[in-house]
This record gives sequence, structure tokens and C-alpha cells, in this order.
Amino acid sequence: QKEVEQDPGPLSVPEGAIVSLNCTYSNSAFQYFMWYRQYSRKGPELLMYTYSSGNKEDGRFTAQVDKSSKYISLFIRDSQPSDSATYLCAMSASNFGNEKLTFGTGTRLTIIP
Amino acid sequence: DTAVSQTPKYLVTQMGNDKSIKCEQNLGHDTMYWYKQDSKKFLKIMFSYNNKELIINETVPNRFSPKSPDKAHLNLHINSLELGDSAVYFCASSQSIGTGSSGNTIYFGEGSWLTVV
Repeated sequence: QKEVEQDPGPLSVPEGAIVSLNCTYSNSAFQYFMWYRQYSRKGPELLMYTYSSGNKEDGRFTAQVDKSSKYISLFIRDSQPSDSATYLCAMSASNFGNEKLTFGTGTRLTIIP
Repeated sequence: DTAVSQTPKYLVTQMGNDKSIKCEQNLGHDTMYWYKQDSKKFLKIMFSYNNKELIINETVPNRFSPKSPDKAHLNLHINSLELGDSAVYFCASSQSIGTGSSGNTIYFGEGSWLTVV
């Protein structure tokens, strides 16, 4: 079993819809959770960052972490064609020292105009 | 200005060859990384350097040798290339060893597409 599981999709939704992207994980030591967006032929860019359980909102994006269920989500409201990309969840146990990010495999999202 | 730049962007080479990918960051960051992304988009760290010192060395074949001449550069040299080395290699940097907090974001380059034939 992989440490981080993510449905690869592809996921296609009409413009304006609410998108829900999810990851599950097995390592209970993970405390830092991130979502990266990767456009085609580009490098990943950090979209959202959360520490421990709870919600964080930034514009049309909301990140949720449920550590008891080992489940994280990214919601995109009023989705736009420019949101079409691959979304990767990432997580780690600490934010310093000899730590590394563990990524999910990414979900490819297409917003249909 | 590109924050993290890597060259070449595309590289096609034959099995058995030796090749290098170069990376430079102009963000003044202390830490640089090499990640590998396979055909299924799985992104996995290979190495990280902090101020030219090797910090993370995941179980990568010793055909892969990173070199950091200074903290703004981290090059990746690959000997005796194999078909399975075909992937996208991303260079990245961050202010300090960390995992991308809002104050410690990891910035990725645009990737180097390596195809071994």
C-alpha cells in the first residue's frame, strides 16, 4: 500500500461547478499537508498549505484535513477553465530537518467551458 | 526572471550514455532538491542539498550523482543511462530545509524531460 493514495482521474466537470479532490494516507505521523497544481509541461506550484486538522480557505480554494480519518480534500468553487491542471497532494511529518515531501500521484482535472 | 531554471528541457539519448542536467535558482534559497516524476505523474524526491551539503539521499542508484558547486546550483549527472531512467526530472529550491509551508514554499523548475532509447 502506498503511503498516499490519490485517484488519478481524469476528472471532467463543467465550468462553474464545485470540484472535490481527495487524498488518503496511512502514515499517522503526517502533520503538514499541501496541495500543488501542475499545468501541462510545467513544474508543480504550491496552492494550499495546512497544518494538522482543520480547514483553510483562500479565494475559491478550500483545503480540509481530517487526521482522524487520514483524509484530506481540496475544494474548488466556481471552477474555471484555467483550473484545468493536475492536482497533487503532498504531506510530511515535520517542517524542518531531514524531512521530505510524500506526494500523491495527482488527479488530472479538466474544466469544460 | 525565472526563479528555478534547469537545462536542458528535453533530452533524448541512447542507453549507456552519460548525461547531465543543470539547475540554477536565483531566489537566494539555501536548499535545493531533485525530484523524479514518472509516466504516471508520481513525484518522488531523489536528493536535497542545504548550503552545498547533501541532506537527503533517497535510495537512488549510484549512477545518479548530484553536485552542488554553490548553493545556487545543483546539477544531476547520470551515468550509464537505462530505459527506466526515462522520466521528468524536477529541480526545486526552498528557503531552508522544509516541506513547503506558506513561509517556506518549495519552488519547482519547469522540468527536464529525459527519454532513453
